Amino acid sequence: AQSVTQLGSHVSVSEGALVLLRCNYSSSVPPYLFWYVQYPNQGLQLLLKYTSAATLVKGINGFEAEFKKSETSFHLTKPSAHMSDAAEYFCAVSRRGYNKLIFGAGTRLAVHP
Amino acid sequence: SQTIHQWPATLVQPVGSPLSLECTVEGTSNPNLYWYRQAAGRGLQLLFYSVGIGQISSEVPQNLSASRPQDRQFILSSKKLLLSDSGFYLCAWSDVAGSTDTQYFGPGTRLTVL
Repeated sequence: AQSVTQLGSHVSVSEGALVLLRCNYSSSVPPYLFWYVQYPNQGLQLLLKYTSAATLVKGINGFEAEFKKSETSFHLTKPSAHMSDAAEYFCAVSRRGYNKLIFGAGTRLAVHP
Repeated sequence: SQTIHQWPATLVQPVGSPLSLECTVEGTSNPNLYWYRQAAGRGLQLLFYSVGIGQISSEVPQNLSASRPQDRQFILSSKKLLLSDSGFYLCAWSDVAGSTDTQYFGPGTRLTVL
């Protein structure tokens, strides 16, 4: 069975600091991997996805994530945090063609001035 | 381009009352459709998904039901709401023809059951 673990339910960084949100997955087959962002009282917005092309995936708003098969990880990073990055971030995994996503519990990112 | 709509945006209902939430997708045909619930502090829970008109799969036994009367319309219903039905309800769609299972979410409906 597939699963996703997001390490840290809350992460706090200073404006301009590196953002690192951790995601580890479990999958018996090569997965698709996703990061979504959710602002308060809004739906989820796709940040980026890994679909077996390049292992370093660039997304919107300056975010990127690297697929590391040996570590079963798909951590999300951004070199310099902005106040507008404060939101909840969800990592998700899909077994190819299965038409369903398995979501992590989410990480709430706070950005301080 | 594709868009997804949900209404109402917010809803306050008494315990025991019925519920109907609607989701519609524009700009695509024969999408997979999904209903999720976010309860406070509990992440995303998949409730139902549909791969075609009249085809509904339930993920979690509960007080809710779903229907897909038209290709791009997905409805979440309840005959009698419970307090535990409160939460943020999200509809999503994915492209059947695509191969990456990417889901795109609507703006959500905030349901409060009192």
